[in-house]
Amino acid sequence: DQQVKQNSPSLSVQEGRISILNCDYTNSMFDYFLWYKKYPAEGPTFLISISSIKDKNEDGRFTVFLNKSAKHLSLHIVPSQPGDSAVYFCAASGARDDKIIFGKGTRLHILP
Amino acid sequence: DAGITQSPRYKITETGRQVTLMCHQTWSHSYMFWYRQDLGHGLRLIYYSAAADITDKGEVPDGYVVSRSKTENFPLTLESATRSQTSVYFCASRGDRAHLYEQYFGPGTRLTVT
Repeated sequence: DQQVKQNSPSLSVQEGRISILNCDYTNSMFDYFLWYKKYPAEGPTFLISISSIKDKNEDGRFTVFLNKSAKHLSLHIVPSQPGDSAVYFCAASGARDDKIIFGKGTRLHILP
Repeated sequence: DAGITQSPRYKITETGRQVTLMCHQTWSHSYMFWYRQDLGHGLRLIYYSAAADITDKGEVPDGYVVSRSKTENFPLTLESATRSQTSVYFCASRGDRAHLYEQYFGPGTRLTVT
């Protein structure tokens, strides 16, 4: 049973517009959430995270929103740039977990 | 070089052969992880280690063996490779402070089992 779900396998967005990537989770014990970005032939790199005590975390063009009641988080990229074309993984962990659980990823295409 | 490295980057092997993928990190991170990435499955955890000589199973451990005799190394062995183990394998590490969940990934090893 998937605990972290990214229901959109791919997303295309015009350059300069907002990209919104969504993620749902089922485990109410998760209290820390992360987004990773992955380019082809490279390992994933950490992008941004959010603790369950917050509902928003911002880092430059990237903002993550957390809705605990809906068990939903989203990553907003504004404005979208060509270099943002990549696969984005949502991940989650509980307070006492040694490991994190990844979603299947969403491939983002930024169109010129 | 500082960071986390994996070797080899590419490997082709035959069914039934034993193959070992290497992972080395220079940060002295306590935790190390092995993932496989497959189309339609995302990143799935194979094994992880909280410290030298401590290892634990992840989501898909069958067919794999790990060891961790030194903090900086975490090799993954496929004792008898099968075609279903064709995948891209990523090693990752992180520090042991509880709030630092961010893992740092190596560049990956693309393994093909024929």
